[in-house]
Amino acid sequence: QSALTQPASVSGSPGQSITISCTGTSSDVGSYNLVSWYQQHPGKAPKLMIYEGSKRPSGVSNRFSGSKSGNTASLTISGLQAEDEADYYCCSYAGSGCWVFGGGTKLTVL
Amino acid sequence: EVQLVESGGGLVQPGGSLRLSCAASGFTFSSYWMSWVRQAPGKGLEWVANIKQDGSEKYYVDSVKGRFTISRDNAKNSLYLQMNSLRAEDTAVYYCARGKHWDYWGQGTLVTVSS
Repeated sequence: QSALTQPASVSGSPGQSITISCTGTSSDVGSYNLVSWYQQHPGKAPKLMIYEGSKRPSGVSNRFSGSKSGNTASLTISGLQAEDEADYYCCSYAGSGCWVFGGGTKLTVL
Repeated sequence: EVQLVESGGGLVQPGGSLRLSCAASGFTFSSYWMSWVRQAPGKGLEWVANIKQDGSEKYYVDSVKGRFTISRDNAKNSLYLQMNSLRAEDTAVYYCARGKHWDYWGQGTLVTVSS
């Protein structure tokens, strides 16, 4: 149950696009199409942004998209807005009923 | 409106016990897997445990196996986490979350393990 690897921080200017990577192994990200992404603002509960790799829950902006290639999943945010500034966490099913998170990425909107 | 409200957190000494509760409303509780996820102060999220709709399957992160027990009472729309033999490293905000994708979360309850 090792944590997935995310960059500690990313940044972008309003209107730009950014991508956050989430690297796992063939035992988690690479084996299942069950990667989720969560947005967390300071002092708040996490919010589901993407599930099953690329699906968006109702109410989540289509500026958020997810993808996967091999053992790496990615979250792309297009048309960056100030309110996108937050921490982002990926999470993957790791088999045997267990789940593993990434360490989190702090997104700064310049 | 879906609501998840955690309670039961507080200050406890190392080796002590605590029972967290999560009261669910606004959805058919018995139809969903439920989970506990925690976040140590200033740190990232960590999945702790989850339980199937009827309680027949339960899974735990290795670090809490044998110490924590997840349970549910579908008649009371409630999820629980019994935490025994608590350690300093268990200090965190504990969230309950709905379903396999955790589409709804509670506001969290803080557990502090310290002497």
